[in-house]
Amino acid sequence: GQSLEQPSEVTAVEGAIVQINCTYQTSGFYGLSWYQQHDGGAPTFLSYNALDGLEETGRFSSFLSRSDSYGYLLLQELQMKDSASYFCACPPGGYQKVTFGTGTKLQVIP
Amino acid sequence: EAGVTQFPSHSVIEKGQTVTLRCDPISGHDNLYWYRRVMGKEIKFLLHFVKESKQDESGMPNNRFLAERTGGTYSTLKVQPAELEDSGVYFCASSQDRSNYGYTFGSGTRLTVV
Repeated sequence: GQSLEQPSEVTAVEGAIVQINCTYQTSGFYGLSWYQQHDGGAPTFLSYNALDGLEETGRFSSFLSRSDSYGYLLLQELQMKDSASYFCACPPGGYQKVTFGTGTKLQVIP
Repeated sequence: EAGVTQFPSHSVIEKGQTVTLRCDPISGHDNLYWYRRVMGKEIKFLLHFVKESKQDESGMPNNRFLAERTGGTYSTLKVQPAELEDSGVYFCASSQDRSNYGYTFGSGTRLTVV
C-alpha cells in the first residue's frame, strides 16, 4: 500500500515563499507529483519528480529525496490566487492508479 | 481540446434515492478514473477504466456503486440507493497512456445526500 502525509494547513503572506512538505511510504515508487485544487474546481497537475533533486516551473518548484522518502512543493512570490489545496501524489497519473496525500490547505494573506 | 466534462455539477438527493453521475473524458484518452473527496479529506480512488473495460475497481465502497463506460467513451457512476455517507465530491479524470503524464480532472460533481 501507499500513504502520503502532509500538513493540513499552512498560512503565508502574499509575496513570501512557502514550502509544503510530503512524506511517503510506498510499496513501489514511481515518482512524486503535485496537484493544486481551488475550492469548487478541478485538481490540476502541477509537477512531477521521477528522480532526486529540484524541478522548477516558474514560481513553483518541487523537490524529491528518495532516500528520505520526502518531497516538497515550493511556491515563491506568493499571490492571493495561490490559495488552494495542494496534494502530493504517487505516481503522477498516466495509466496508473494514483494515491493522493492528505492535502494541505494553503491560505495566502495580504 | 475540450477538457474532462462532468455533470451535473451539483446534486442534492434524499437518502434511498438513486443518482447517476456522468463523465465525458478528453477524446482519445483510453484511461478514465473516478475519484471521490469526502468532507475535505484526501482524494480517494474508486475505479479505473481502460477503454470500456474495468481495469481496477478496488476502491468502490460497496455494491451500491455501479460504474459503466459505454463503448469506451463517456462513463456513468450510479449510486443506488444513496446513503448519507456517500456525500462528497466525485471527480472524473482521464489520461494518456504515459506513466509520467498527470491526469486531467473534471470539475467534479458535488453530491449531497440528505
